[in-house]
Amino acid sequence: DAMVIQNPRYQVTQFGKPVTLSCSQTLNHNVMYWYQQKSSQAPKLLFHYYDKDFNNEADTPDNFQSRRPNTSFCFLDIRSPGLGDAAMYLCATSRSGGGAVYNEQFFGPGTRLTVL
Amino acid sequence: AQKVTQAQTEISVVEKEDVTLDCVYETRDTTYYLFWYKQPPSGELVFLIRRNSFDEQNEISGRYSWNFQKSTSSFNFTITASQVVDSAVYFCALSVLGNNRLAFGKGNQVVVIP
Repeated sequence: DAMVIQNPRYQVTQFGKPVTLSCSQTLNHNVMYWYQQKSSQAPKLLFHYYDKDFNNEADTPDNFQSRRPNTSFCFLDIRSPGLGDAAMYLCATSRSGGGAVYNEQFFGPGTRLTVL
Repeated sequence: AQKVTQAQTEISVVEKEDVTLDCVYETRDTTYYLFWYKQPPSGELVFLIRRNSFDEQNEISGRYSWNFQKSTSSFNFTITASQVVDSAVYFCALSVLGNNRLAFGKGNQVVVIP
């Protein structure tokens, strides 16, 4: 089945220790997104890639970076995690352009990050 | 800017009761898309439905139904004969033509009591 995969599902890191979360997709979608979701809140978009073009949200801290080496993979790097970065991180994909205007996003299962 | 309001935060129902989740949206764009997502305790957001602004037909899928009314800018979701497996957070979301971003509501926590 085509899907969005996130690894690991649970990640524990120490305060200030860099961490990388990964996302892969078999949907061949050209747009990939990273969201942060804290308890009892809606997902908050951090950034997204439209093909190779990186689009950062204005309020995303510099501490968060992303890489997309190819269509299938996207990484979220947190350079110096703080206690406030503990959250669920969701990856999503969508198909856009070429007449596709529906914009529904398909989400992975998420990575729950704990910062000690 | 786009805005989605889901006024009810937590809704508890007894199994087999119906539950309706309200969603009110704001946008100045004439072409837009409305979505509902389900987030069970496992955390994954599951896509349920998309509705385009130019298609006001209501939709039924099994026990789920959606009522789209442009006149009141609402896109309400009803679960008929609720089951324990329906316990989840449900998010209404909006995007507009040419913009990949989803504007989410705050979500409705639905608790179905056996």
